[in-house]
Amino acid sequence: NAGVTQTPKFQVLKTGQSMTLQCAQDMNHEYMSWYRQDPGMGLRLIHYSVGAGITDQGEVPNGYNVSRSTTEDFPLRLLSAAPSQTSVYFCASAAGVGGYTFGSGTRLTVV
Amino acid sequence: AQRVTQPEKLLSVFKGAPVELKCNYSYSGSPELFWYVQYSRQRLQLLLRHISRESIKGFTADLNKGETSFHLKKPFAQEEDSAMYYCALPNTGNQFYFGTGTSLTVIP
Repeated sequence: NAGVTQTPKFQVLKTGQSMTLQCAQDMNHEYMSWYRQDPGMGLRLIHYSVGAGITDQGEVPNGYNVSRSTTEDFPLRLLSAAPSQTSVYFCASAAGVGGYTFGSGTRLTVV
Repeated sequence: AQRVTQPEKLLSVFKGAPVELKCNYSYSGSPELFWYVQYSRQRLQLLLRHISRESIKGFTADLNKGETSFHLKKPFAQEEDSAMYYCALPNTGNQFYFGTGTSLTVIP
């Protein structure tokens, strides 16, 4: 039981490049979310999903896309990377109304 | 609008001293609040939730509806408690609002 797995752990992108941050959970959780963590700003919700095939925007969705074709996977796509997207990204999942289990994070730098 | 406020960005206490990390919330209804902890460069972990009324690693938190607060307390701080602490409030769709976090340093 791996919990929530995020890949890659580190990534450097050039401005304008695109990439996908992967997130997978093996706990059969309905709810999955992506957050970004920035100094002094805490965690801010980017996108979330309440089940396979259902996604919605969070607080800071611009520049990011998500899809949820399976219960297990919830990838986050950066369409055209910008320096403002330099951050630590966390994926999280939950079974129901309750606490989330977080992945170990992806540290992204956009130059 | 739902909101969680953690007024202290940094908090330092000496080992063995009591510690209180403040969290205030704005919520219409009966809130369910959580505390998460993040040790250096690790993932966030659920520390406790008010509905369970548990004491985890010596920490407790009481929901005070009159003061709209959910402060995290520990009577005797340990060095291993040094970490980033986040207060969180769930919204519709089980999405969480997180506070901006408090970085706790326990001085030996």
